Amino acid sequence: EAGVTQFPSHSVIEKGQTVTLRCDPISGHDNLYWYRRVMGKEIKFLLHFVKESKQDESGMPNNRFLAERTGGTYSTLKVQPAELEDSGVYFCASSQEQGDEQYFGPGTRLTVT
Amino acid sequence: AQTVTQSQPEMSVQEAETVTLSCTYDTSENNYYLFWYKQPPSRQMILVIRQEAYKQQNATENRFSVNFQKAAKSFSLKISDSQLGDTAMYFCAFMKLIFGNEKLTFGTGTRLTIIP
Repeated sequence: EAGVTQFPSHSVIEKGQTVTLRCDPISGHDNLYWYRRVMGKEIKFLLHFVKESKQDESGMPNNRFLAERTGGTYSTLKVQPAELEDSGVYFCASSQEQGDEQYFGPGTRLTVT
Repeated sequence: AQTVTQSQPEMSVQEAETVTLSCTYDTSENNYYLFWYKQPPSRQMILVIRQEAYKQQNATENRFSVNFQKAAKSFSLKISDSQLGDTAMYFCAFMKLIFGNEKLTFGTGTRLTIIP
């Protein structure tokens, strides 16, 4: 069984540009989570999808971040326009049922210069 | 709001020794889960062990065990007979047991190095 995959593994963009991160959860997992770790700090929750619906988006930092999960399969997280403080590692996780173990992807390292 | 504190940014131990990573948390909830996640240098984070707060018995998974002290809000991880493959970042995490609110709250992590 394939695990959670994320693309790209690393992205370097300039301030003001747009970047789109993609997450493919484990097949059959209805729950998809986005988290972010800014340099040296704790991993912070961004949002939670149940199928295609946003269950909890309380962690989204501002309206420059847009997450989608059309069709309830893969998800994208778009940052537009990117700022320096958006640099960090963005993790995606999925679980089958709510409350189950969350399986994490390898993360996307975003560097905004 | 919940907070999770890991007070040891870095630790190192000789191979085959035992090491304990500390974690404390703050919550007003009575029902919750606690987790230890491991992120090896290759970056994929994996679950090491999970503890349900309503269970008094400490969870164990092979060489990994926890010391869960609910009243003290402490959740330490003990790794016995440490191996080189245990070298990783270890994150302590908290999750409320409330349907629709399954987000994980993490600590800042402990970088553990096993020395050959």
